Parts: sequence; C-alpha cells; structure tokens
Amino acid sequence: NAGVTQTPKFRILKIGQSMTLQCTQDMNHNYMYWYRQDPGMGLKLIYYSVGAGITDKGEVPNGYNVSRSTTEDFPLRLELAAPSQTSVYFCASSPRGFSGNTIYFGEGSWLTVV
Amino acid sequence: GDSVTQMEGPVTLSEEAFLTINCTYTATGYPSLFWYVQYPGEGLQLLLKATKADDKGSNKGFEATYRKETTSFHLEKGSVQVSDSAVYFCALLGDYGQNFVFGPGTRLSVLP
Repeated sequence: NAGVTQTPKFRILKIGQSMTLQCTQDMNHNYMYWYRQDPGMGLKLIYYSVGAGITDKGEVPNGYNVSRSTTEDFPLRLELAAPSQTSVYFCASSPRGFSGNTIYFGEGSWLTVV
Repeated sequence: GDSVTQMEGPVTLSEEAFLTINCTYTATGYPSLFWYVQYPGEGLQLLLKATKADDKGSNKGFEATYRKETTSFHLEKGSVQVSDSAVYFCALLGDYGQNFVFGPGTRLSVLP
C-alpha cells in the first residue's frame, strides 16, 4: 500500500525557473493538502483541496498554484522560483473531514532555489 | 481561528528520563487532537490521537490526555530512549474544519 507518494524527493532550481511537485494518493481520500516546512519551523499550509475540481488557499499561497483534476492527484506548481521558496514540501491526504480523521503525509520534497 | 501552541525546544534529555512536551490549543467546539512525530529526513507520522474530552491516546510508551477544561494535550513518556530523538508536532482538526492546524514542533534530543 503506497499511501501518499511525492516526487521528486530532491530538486535544485535556479531563480525564475518553474517546476511541478507531483503528489498521488491511493487511499481514495477526498482531502489533500500541501504544506511547507522551513528549517526549524512548523508546517504552513499552502493550498488544500476537499475534492476533485475544488481547491482553496491556505496560509501561504503566494507563488504557488495547484490543480485537482482527479481524486488521486494534487500537483503543486511553482511558476517563478524565488530563494524564499527554499523549503521542504509535504503533500498529505485525509478522509472526508469527520472528527478524528488522521492525516497521512508523503515523505517530503526538498527544494533549494539558488 | 484555531491555533496550537507548543513548548519551545529544543529539549535535551538523558536516556531513561521522563518526558513532557506541553501543548495547548484554541478552537471552537470539540476538536480532535493529535501528536505527530518526524524522525530525521522523514515525513510526519501519526504517534497518537484523541477525539473527545478525557480520552487518552497512547502508542510506543507515549501518552497524552485530552483535557478540555485546560485546553491541553500534553505528551508524556516515562522513560525516553535515544531512538525517540525527533521533532514532535501537536495538531488539531476542528469539529467542522477541513484543515489540520499544527503547532511549530518541539525538537527532542535524547543522549545515551
């Protein structure tokens, strides 16, 4: 059972480049999330989705875009990479938002912008 | 809005010492509460959870009790091991919330 799968695991980008972080889950979860974790800091929510075709901004959405065309996939796009986007990115998913649901994380994507 | 506050780290303990990591929350209604652990180089993993007041979550020797009167969910372990060295995150999911809210994390280092 794969759970939440993120790719790539490591990436170095130059300022101004674009890239997409891929995220796939095989648990048929409706809710999916993208978080970033800066060194020594907690998680900040970038975007989330409550189902296919529906996305919403989180706490720190600037510089990012998402789409949710299927239940399984929730890619995160960086259009013009900036050094401030150097971070670890975690994709996560959870079942429909009833109380007590656990959130399942991918293993993370380490992104450096130089 | 909902929020989670954790004690600031890092916390450094000797092996077999008692551990407490404080967590308090602000939320309307009756949130579910979680502790997640992040080992070096890995993603977050669920450690334990509690879904209603006075529930005790437990796993791998760790425990936390959902105290609504003090809005707290403190993490405890009676005897820590070197392998417990990690970052611990307290989190909540609100009654009608769609988003999990995480605390900033507390780094624990256990020395042999």
